Amino acid sequence: EAGVTQFPSHSVIEKGQTVTLRCDPISGHDNLYWYRRVMGKEIKFLLHFVKESKQDESGMPNNRFLAERTGGTYSTLKVQPAELEDSGVYFCASSQERTGVNGYTFGSGTRLTVV
Amino acid sequence: GQSLEQPSEVTAVEGAIVQMNCTYQTSGFYGLSWYQQHDGGAPTFLSYNALDGLEETGRFSSFLSRSDSYGYLLLQELQMKDSASYFCALTGGGNKLTFGTGTQLKVEL
Repeated sequence: EAGVTQFPSHSVIEKGQTVTLRCDPISGHDNLYWYRRVMGKEIKFLLHFVKESKQDESGMPNNRFLAERTGGTYSTLKVQPAELEDSGVYFCASSQERTGVNGYTFGSGTRLTVV
Repeated sequence: GQSLEQPSEVTAVEGAIVQMNCTYQTSGFYGLSWYQQHDGGAPTFLSYNALDGLEETGRFSSFLSRSDSYGYLLLQELQMKDSASYFCALTGGGNKLTFGTGTQLKVEL
């Protein structure tokens, strides 16, 4: 089966611009997660979708971040306007069940650099 | 909140056994997971401990002690390809993960 795909792999934008990251989860995985790793820090939770519904968005930093999951398939994460502190690697992950037994399947991430 | 501590770096020799520790503080969790990440790659799920004790999967074993707020990942018969970062993570409600800062494992000849 195809893995979790993220696009783009890298993005360099100027402060104040808008960027949209995309994630295609494994087909049939209802649970989709976004995480972020800022340089030198741990990977941190942003939000969790179950199908098209936001289950938990407690990790979203502020209202400059907007996540959507159209029809319960792919997801987008938009940052508008981007700030310097938004730089980092954004990971998407999906899972079939909501227990940890089989873990998540992560994508390779989008490395976002805001200059 | 939750927090997890891991040593930043561990070095070991090919063929040896290495143990990477993880201590945590939390008010509650469902289990402890371990993920491997090679540079620039996706974190890959290795193991999950819901209960105290040892879980073994091939060359990898993971241990959890809830009473000691402690876990570890044990890698046997180390290979050069095992050089990577290893993250422990607590699993909370909704299968949400709280990650440690990771241990960079360097395997030398």
